[in-house]
Amino acid sequence: EPEVTQTPSHQVTQMGQEVILRCVPISNHLYFYWYRQILGQKVEFLVSFYNNEISEKSEIFDDQFSVERPDGSNFTLKIRSTKLEDSAMYFCASKRGSGYTFGSGTRLTVV
Amino acid sequence: QQQVKQSPQSLIVQKGGISIINCAYENTAFDYFPWYQQFPGKGPALLIAIRPDVSEKKEGRFTISFNKSAKQFSLHIMDSQPGDSATYFCAASSLYNTDKLIFGTGTRLQVFP
Repeated sequence: EPEVTQTPSHQVTQMGQEVILRCVPISNHLYFYWYRQILGQKVEFLVSFYNNEISEKSEIFDDQFSVERPDGSNFTLKIRSTKLEDSAMYFCASKRGSGYTFGSGTRLTVV
Repeated sequence: QQQVKQSPQSLIVQKGGISIINCAYENTAFDYFPWYQQFPGKGPALLIAIRPDVSEKKEGRFTISFNKSAKQFSLHIMDSQPGDSATYFCAASSLYNTDKLIFGTGTRLQVFP
């Protein structure tokens, strides 16, 4: 079964550093997303991406965040200057019809 | 109005029993209601989903009951097994408006033998 692949699985970074989280969505999917889950809490929407541009973003997705689809297969989330409160699991997802497929996530720890 | 309320927060069921998790929403524009299963260290995996034009959907041991007038939907897991032990999230979205998923707060299900 096709999968959404995320790398790395775990990233530790110092506060103020830039991080890039990487995702390879399912190849024939057209819509791409980033969600995050702070430990023990619900999954929250960050951003959706379609046709090479952001289609919607949440309040969480401020100027420190950006997304990019640099080639036909990768989808990245960049956090420019990480804060302690950015520590969370970040999930990439893609879809074609109605059903999302989520990746296994990247655990980001900001110290 | 964007919230999805989920209960209970945790649930302990004996093997073979029925697990029931409930969700309620306010936004009448929602038209897609999926349930996700999440194991520790993994991403949410789609379990079953329903549209508001039907009141029930069954797939194997998993059933969604949907009450449009009450704006509530629930997941029933029949013959619960220890392998069902996971966190379950309900969610809602409006596929024709914005398709972002609004998740409930999750229910941690433990099934004991």
